[in-house]
Amino acid sequence: QKEVEQNSGPLSVPEGAIASLNCTYSDRGSQSFFWYRQYSGKSPELIMSIYSNGDKEDGRFTAQLNKASQYVSLLIRDSQPSDSATYLCAVIHGGSNYKLTFGKGTLLTVNP
Amino acid sequence: GAVVSQHPSWVICKSGTSVKIECRSLDFQATTMFWYRQFPKQSLMLMATSNEGSKATYEQGVEKDKFLINHASLTLSTLTVTSAHPEDSSFYICSASGPLAGELFFGEGSRLTVL
Repeated sequence: QKEVEQNSGPLSVPEGAIASLNCTYSDRGSQSFFWYRQYSGKSPELIMSIYSNGDKEDGRFTAQLNKASQYVSLLIRDSQPSDSATYLCAVIHGGSNYKLTFGKGTLLTVNP
Repeated sequence: GAVVSQHPSWVICKSGTSVKIECRSLDFQATTMFWYRQFPKQSLMLMATSNEGSKATYEQGVEKDKFLINHASLTLSTLTVTSAHPEDSSFYICSASGPLAGELFFGEGSRLTVL
């Protein structure tokens, strides 16, 4: 069973702080990793994708990947109340082509 | 980003009836679409992969005769929940693949409530 694990939270941070979201995956052959944001009652939207070890920055978001530790994270700098949502980690496992496996998500609350 | 439209956004039906959900890619051609189901506070679970012009590939445990998928054109895939029961009540979401592997564009989702 190929799994993607996330802490369900809720993770609560004050406005302006850095929010750190973590994800681990079981399949060492995984090559592609994604973070999706899902507001309550809405469908997910892609925030970041990362394919190689290291950091990838896009605006206030930084994705970090460590394949040796099978760990991927998302940092949100200068958190805003509008960032409050569930963040889903998703992985394409080795050999599965386009099929994504999603974690259960971490609920983030940014307090004004 | 690409736009995927899903309809209806919510539907209430009686037990035993069938419900059809449509998923359209509005500004691109989607040879592959995916159908997910999400129960409250749970993750998205892939139900099936819909390929234009061929039969859908269903995930283990998903009844293909109950969840009928048709992908007749490059811009439209439909999911029909046949003989719906209360346990089928869920949030159904379609998605279409973008140019990069794993880059999915999601429809707005359809919330089904079976009474």
